[in-house]
This record gives sequence, C-alpha cells and structure tokens, in this order.
Amino acid sequence: DIQMTQSPSTLSASVGDRVTITCRAAQSISRWLAWYQQKPGKAPNLLIYEASILQAGVPSRFSGSGSGTEFTLTISSLQPDDFATYYCQHYNGYWTFGQGTKVEVK
Amino acid sequence: VQLVESGGELVQPGGSLRLSCVASGFVLSRFWMHWVRQAPGKEPVWVSRISSDGRNIIYADSVKGRFTISRDDATNTLHLQMNSLRAEDTAMYYCARDVTVSGPSTFDHWGRGTLVTVSS
Repeated sequence: DIQMTQSPSTLSASVGDRVTITCRAAQSISRWLAWYQQKPGKAPNLLIYEASILQAGVPSRFSGSGSGTEFTLTISSLQPDDFATYYCQHYNGYWTFGQGTKVEVK
Repeated sequence: VQLVESGGELVQPGGSLRLSCVASGFVLSRFWMHWVRQAPGKEPVWVSRISSDGRNIIYADSVKGRFTISRDDATNTLHLQMNSLRAEDTAMYYCARDVTVSGPSTFDHWGRGTLVTVSS
C-alpha cells in the first residue's frame, strides 16, 4: 500500500482565513485522490475526488489540486461549519487514508 | 441514500460478531460496497469490498481469513461476519457505498457506524 502523509496535523485558523492542507503520496498515484471532512461523532463526508472534482452539494469554497505525489485541499474563506478534521485518501483498487488534519479555532 | 449499521457491541477476544448494514434510497444491487473502520482518534482504515454481483471480494491483510463480507440484495443488506476478534479490531465500523464507475472509485455515502469493542 502507498503511504499518504498529511501536513500539518493541526491547523489553527479564523473565520474568513484561506486554509491549505497538503497530502503527499510515497509514490505517484496519478490523480486518484479524494478529500473527506469529518466532524466529531459523524462519518467522513466526501468533498473532492480525482484530486480536483467537487462532489455534488459541496460548497465552492473547497477546491483541490495536484497530481503525482503532491496534493492540496484549499478552503478559500473558512466558515464556522468548516472546523473539522480533513483526510486525504488514495484509491486504486485499495483505499488508504492520510493521518488527518484538524482545523481548529485560532 | 441512507445506510444504517447495526450489530456492534462489547465482545471478548476470540469472539465473533456479525455486523449488518441496511441500505435505502437506492438500488443496492447496482453498487459495490465497502466496510471501513476507525479506531478512536485515528484515521479510517478500509476493511473489505464486495462487487455488485458478490463475486469479487477483497480484504485488508489485517482481517483476511477472519472476516467475511457478504450481501443480500433481496433485503438490501450488507453483512460483515467477524471471527477470532482481537483487541486491535476495536473501532467504529462503517459501511460505505462505492461510487461504482469504470476505473478507480471511492466512497460517496457512509452510514453512521456501529461500535465494536473487543475487551475482556
């Protein structure tokens, strides 16, 4: 399995901030990468797949980019509902998650 | 789309459990399905996947030979039979629907999960 590494592990931010989370793959994974948001006590929620395609119903302030080994999730203007933990996930016949990035109130 | 898991509980090491996931709002038989687990404070970990026709099944190495995934499309239910349970199997167990397109795909809907605790 290909290891996925996210940074930072914790990010402190304020409402309105632009937030960027990075995910690195141990080897090239093309664009087979998804981003999930998870709130306490809830299941993960799909935000982005194929590195940059926004899942239906997800606000446009979320965007994804990258290919190969380096990917980013950007929240253009952080909203109160966005404080959560975010996971990247590689998928290609098996499914591997990063360790997560917690976005907390600054 | 709704997925509702059940069957999780406290069980002793070496014991067995059978988890169920009832699907509604979509035709289960058209979709590949997964089980994913998440230990407290950790990232999700994929456990198993079953194809829409039930013939193509794969498992994570950590559960191979101990867990069995199955589906009953007549009752819109996905199952996970878990045997020889270990403390490290303790987690919230989620069923998840595969996007089910040609090529690699991920999970577009998850249930709320059912908690499995393995402890003496």
